[in-house]
Amino acid sequence: QSALTQPASVSGSPGQSITISCTGTSSDVGGYNYVSWYQQHPGKAPRLMISDVTRRPSGVSNRFSGSKSGNTASLTISGLQAEDEADYYCSSYTNSGAFVLFGGGTKVTVL
Amino acid sequence: QLQLQESGSGLVKPSQTLSLTCVVSGGSISSGVYSWSWIRQPPGKGLEWIGYILHGGSTYYNPSLQSRVTMSVDRSKNQFSLNLNSVTAADTAVYYCAAWGNWFDPWGQGILVTVSS
Repeated sequence: QSALTQPASVSGSPGQSITISCTGTSSDVGGYNYVSWYQQHPGKAPRLMISDVTRRPSGVSNRFSGSKSGNTASLTISGLQAEDEADYYCSSYTNSGAFVLFGGGTKVTVL
Repeated sequence: QLQLQESGSGLVKPSQTLSLTCVVSGGSISSGVYSWSWIRQPPGKGLEWIGYILHGGSTYYNPSLQSRVTMSVDRSKNQFSLNLNSVTAADTAVYYCAAWGNWFDPWGQGILVTVSS
């Protein structure tokens, strides 16, 4: 079962907006609205940032937003801040093989 | 507020069995609101879903690990467990437990398990 495809790295300057993509297939990302996004700082456990493609849990900044088009989901961080520098992972339910897939992760660098 | 905490051996010999427990606090493991999951992360690498167990005891495992994985729930202790047998160095990773409700939240802090003789 292949992982979801994410870019290895994305960078931006403070205040800018960046978007991280997460590409799957019609068996996972494209077929279900069960895409979630996680932020992970070094040495820390992942933290849920977005669930069900677009839902932002309580306590997560409204600078984080999620969307989906076809087989690709996206996480957008607006007004980029130094504290946003971290690894980001997408995840999706899948009806093919494994029940849950993760993306390979994207390292976000704030320039 | 739901909280999860992993415990277990941090060092396992090759070919032996890795055993971890995740204690759930702030909520009942039998509530039916969540399923209970294990995820691992090899050093410097990405996340890998290991499997999850429903409150009723049904289990769903990653096919790549299915032949070696067993998960169980102990409702009396409000905890769930992971056993991974026949381990090799490739199983060295930080192991996380997490609540699953179509997303993973919350997560435990993680426990590093090293497979080495």
